[in-house]
Amino acid sequence: QVQLVESGGGVVQPGRSLRLSCAASGFTFSTYGMHWVRQAPGKGLEWVAATSSDGSSKYYADSVKGRFTISRDNSKNTLSLLMNSLRGADTAVYYCAKGHSGGWYYLDNWGQGTLVTVSS
Amino acid sequence: QSALTQPPSVSGSPGQSVTISCTGTSSDVGSYNRVSWYQQPPGTAPKLMIYEVSNRPSGVPDRFSGSKSGNTASLTISGLQAEDEADYYCSSYTSNRTWVFGGGTKLTVL
Repeated sequence: QVQLVESGGGVVQPGRSLRLSCAASGFTFSTYGMHWVRQAPGKGLEWVAATSSDGSSKYYADSVKGRFTISRDNSKNTLSLLMNSLRGADTAVYYCAKGHSGGWYYLDNWGQGTLVTVSS
Repeated sequence: QSALTQPPSVSGSPGQSVTISCTGTSSDVGSYNRVSWYQQPPGTAPKLMIYEVSNRPSGVPDRFSGSKSGNTASLTISGLQAEDEADYYCSSYTSNRTWVFGGGTKLTVL
């Protein structure tokens, strides 16, 4: 079965960087688009970034554009999110999610999330 | 990238039907059938319930149905059950090649 396991979360000071990883298994990783979605404490879902199956296309929310970089290593079945210049508003649970077979417009499997806390 | 508009809360008794609306713009919901709905019980990860406006992934009960008219999509849950109590989010692809979620709707089963 599909498994997505996020790691790399923690407490970080404003202005610093953090890299999140998502280990994928149970499906052919290299054939699916992938996403990062975040959820601030007590708030709703916010889409963060997406990458196509081969990594050639990458898209970002305006709130993170220029600060966050999504990448993937299809040889290691791993999705990453490099987060620079972190702000308090970036505090959230970050979910890794797999695109649906019918199109990466839909997220059909989600990890359990990793918490990022930006605080001095 | 403004969030899609959903009612903060809806409620219904077991066996009843409820509908959750999701209003966007001509740049997202109105332009594409790439609308999906997610269920998130407290403390858990979201689960895909509806994709491409009205399609159900395998394993999702047919009590869940989706539709769209103009800039507004809707999720209807018929024959409400206690286990349906959760937060529900709509999502749409946009003309900016981004994705946007709704603010979420808390469903209470009375």
